[in-house]
Amino acid sequence: DTEVTQTPKHLVMGMTNKKSLKCEQHMGHRAMYWYKQKAKKPPELMFVYSYEKLSINESVPSRFSPECPNSSLLNLHLHALQPEDSALYLCASSQPGQGGATNEKLFFGSGTQLSVL
Amino acid sequence: SQELEQSPQSLIVQEGKNLTINCTSSKTLYGLYWYKQKYGEGLIFLMMLQKGGEEKSHEKITAKLDEKKQQSSLHITASQPSHAGIYLCGAARTLYNNNDMRFGAGTRLTVKP
Repeated sequence: DTEVTQTPKHLVMGMTNKKSLKCEQHMGHRAMYWYKQKAKKPPELMFVYSYEKLSINESVPSRFSPECPNSSLLNLHLHALQPEDSALYLCASSQPGQGGATNEKLFFGSGTQLSVL
Repeated sequence: SQELEQSPQSLIVQEGKNLTINCTSSKTLYGLYWYKQKYGEGLIFLMMLQKGGEEKSHEKITAKLDEKKQQSSLHITASQPSHAGIYLCGAARTLYNNNDMRFGAGTRLTVKP
């Protein structure tokens, strides 16, 4: 199994709603990522979990709350979002690096297209 | 911070033609990744280059990393409509923190039948 599965594929929410995005992988990867991608822009890193601990938070607003309940699952909890948060949210996973020059490729899910009304 | 510049931003070619996409970094590249993305979908890994002068090929796509490890090119031979999409280069910012991959702005490729 070399897939990263994201649900839902599409989500429409109001600014007062609370929703969650889910990501799952069964490749034994111990690093998981959330990226945000606006139309015609490159993916922007939001959060990185390494061994279930948050290792990178790219100054993301607190209305986005990540959670890594175990090594296979990654959630992104959404609350009080703004219309400008509408974007494609991509989850990815990889083996964490061991240091040195070894870099592992990222496996990406197909994303959740989020629209905030 | 790592800056990756891709050129061209967009490319329209006739089916069967060859093409090249470039990715230039403002810093030494410790690992350079090429991904392809269809609109509104996830990224598909193509190739990874680590060593200066390294060249890898898969089917009709060849990627190279220059000796100084600050530029990479992706070359497609005899392009087909299936090659259409957005090509993104990505790189980690630092040698010892290889989880924070950043991407260039992408090259949008259209292949006309």
